[in-house]
Amino acid sequence: GAGVSQSPSNKVTEKGKDVELRCDPISGHTALYWYRQSLGQGLEFLIYFQGNSAPDKSGLPSDRFSAERTGGSVSTLTIQRTQQEDSAVYLCASRKAGARLEKLFFGSGTQLSVL
Amino acid sequence: GDSVTQMEGPVTLSEEAFLTINCTYTATGYPSLFWYVQYPGEGLQLLLKATKADDKGSNKGFEATYRKETTSFHLEKGSVQVSDSAVYFCALSDQNQGGKLIFGQGTELSVKP
Repeated sequence: GAGVSQSPSNKVTEKGKDVELRCDPISGHTALYWYRQSLGQGLEFLIYFQGNSAPDKSGLPSDRFSAERTGGSVSTLTIQRTQQEDSAVYLCASRKAGARLEKLFFGSGTQLSVL
Repeated sequence: GDSVTQMEGPVTLSEEAFLTINCTYTATGYPSLFWYVQYPGEGLQLLLKATKADDKGSNKGFEATYRKETTSFHLEKGSVQVSDSAVYFCALSDQNQGGKLIFGQGTELSVKP
């Protein structure tokens, strides 16, 4: 596609349920990032995939959060047993291998609301 | 670890006013510095960047100078427009971070006619 695509754009769930958020990066982009944007917290780094290397998971806030990237393309961020503090906008971004970080392209995000 | 601190918002200005959004950083290496902008309903976009000390990044009338002595990268614009209303994020990257961007908390700007 023309840009980074995320789905759904909005997700409302009940506390304790599991959710899956999807990111389709720009075709050919080997680096993929997940960030979380919440009020007062800015943009928090969650996880980074680069090609076939082991992902950098250093930003995941707890073991309820996990992400995978299948076939080097689509990525799914999974939040288990959601809590109200998980409510935020989850942003995905991608770039080409070797491209400078300013060539990072962001999706429009998934707004997650945990009731 | 590396971090970025921005002035808190929201910032409300009248059209044609002068804008400054403060940004300071903490880094162990030699980071590149960025300003990103998020217009209502749109994704994050790179606004400008600077890769070394004393560099000035500029775009769309916005400027920011990489000040190593004060570890700052303040965003300025001489005359804001209503269309500049958005959330602005300061960010840094460092090779030691493995190719990640570290963002500040964002500053919401509202420009009134």
